[in-house]
Amino acid sequence: EAQVTQNPRYLITVTGKKLTVTCSQNMNHEYMSWYRQDPGLGLRQIYYSMNVEVTDKGDVPEGYKVSRKEKRNFPLILESPSPNQTSLYFCASSPAGGPSDTQYFGPGTRLTVL
Amino acid sequence: QKEVEQNSGPLSVPEGAIASLNCTYSDRVSQSFFWYRQYSGKSPELIMSIYSNGDKEDGRFTAQLNKASQYVSLLIRDSQPSDSATYLCAVVMRGGAQKLVFGQGTRLTINP
Repeated sequence: EAQVTQNPRYLITVTGKKLTVTCSQNMNHEYMSWYRQDPGLGLRQIYYSMNVEVTDKGDVPEGYKVSRKEKRNFPLILESPSPNQTSLYFCASSPAGGPSDTQYFGPGTRLTVL
Repeated sequence: QKEVEQNSGPLSVPEGAIASLNCTYSDRVSQSFFWYRQYSGKSPELIMSIYSNGDKEDGRFTAQLNKASQYVSLLIRDSQPSDSATYLCAVVMRGGAQKLVFGQGTRLTINP
């Protein structure tokens, strides 16, 4: 089944404890992206990747890191999480080398930072 | 001005009526526009994309684009309770690198 998977789906952690949220797609998509969703603010892009080894900042990159060593994987790293990073996170991928195409979203990761 | 703006709602429509969702955007040279539907607790899913001025119809859904007015809308005909969801407008912004910007979403409730 063609899909985008994220792990974990739910995570409660404490301030300062490094964490990684994994994202994997099995559709051979070029473009991958991370978003966070907060009430009243909609989806905001954190980082995106046009292809392997090519990543760039979105609108809210502070406090996050990403890497794209393989086409299928695009992990999101929070080196020192803070409470303001409590949010619902979505990974997405699309076939083309940019966002002008259907975005396929993962199921989401709900993160709580205490 | 927000890059992509939607009425946050909530919008309440009786079953069988037409639901109208609106979105304005700030980038005059944007070329790609999308409507995503998001059920509560779920991830967004694409329901319509539109790239040219005018109307685009897909079943009960019609997207309308007016680039001169920087306005895109979504009409849902014969609204069903299963259409109750949050609808997200998304626009690809040009500039140094293309980025997809979402509006804050409009919550739609269809009343039986």
